[in-house]
Amino acid sequence: SQKIEQNSEALNIQEGKTATLTCNYTNYSPAYLQWYRQDPGRGPVFLLLIRENEKEKRKERLKVTFDTTLKQSLFHITASQPADSATYLCAYLDTGRRALTFGSGTRLQVQP
Amino acid sequence: DVKVTQSSRYLVKRTGEKVFLECVQDMDHENMFWYRQDPGLGLRLIYFSYDVKMKEKGDIPEGYSVSREKKERFSLILESASTNQTSMYLCATRLTGGTEAFFGQGTRLTVV
Repeated sequence: SQKIEQNSEALNIQEGKTATLTCNYTNYSPAYLQWYRQDPGRGPVFLLLIRENEKEKRKERLKVTFDTTLKQSLFHITASQPADSATYLCAYLDTGRRALTFGSGTRLQVQP
Repeated sequence: DVKVTQSSRYLVKRTGEKVFLECVQDMDHENMFWYRQDPGLGLRLIYFSYDVKMKEKGDIPEGYSVSREKKERFSLILESASTNQTSMYLCATRLTGGTEAFFGQGTRLTVV
């Protein structure tokens, strides 16, 4: 069955640098991948979606790439700020179940 | 603005109690989901519903049941609460044909 994997270790970076988070999937390419942000004690909030036939998507300081050869999506935050500190989750839609399957998330800590 | 509301932010219950977690949405979405989130395990799907009175098991349905009598309300029931059900519970909705999921603020349940 499809698995979606994110680096469980926290990522610590300095303010102003680019943060890069990785999401790998194991089997077939999903039609699209989504990225969510989750703050402590809160529900996830949708950020970006990238489709299988798109190489790259941008929204303000956020950029997502989708590499079907590597079976990987990368999520970048440029000019990172302490307010970007949160856990970031990737997800794909299992169309047979209508439900999103999530990775375990990567915690990002941006140091001032 | 889309709103998904869970009835409680924090709940403490005793082992063996029957527990009801309520979720209400105002978006007229057909699909509603219950996830639980535990450290290192990410979000795991418990049950979902794609229409009134319709429900399907997710990945970890044991010990839980659900009810959807009205389109806007989806309830998660712990028939006999146990300590291993201590977790963060997240309700989500999604429009059929849509992409992103909308989450409630979460209920932190502690079973003692």
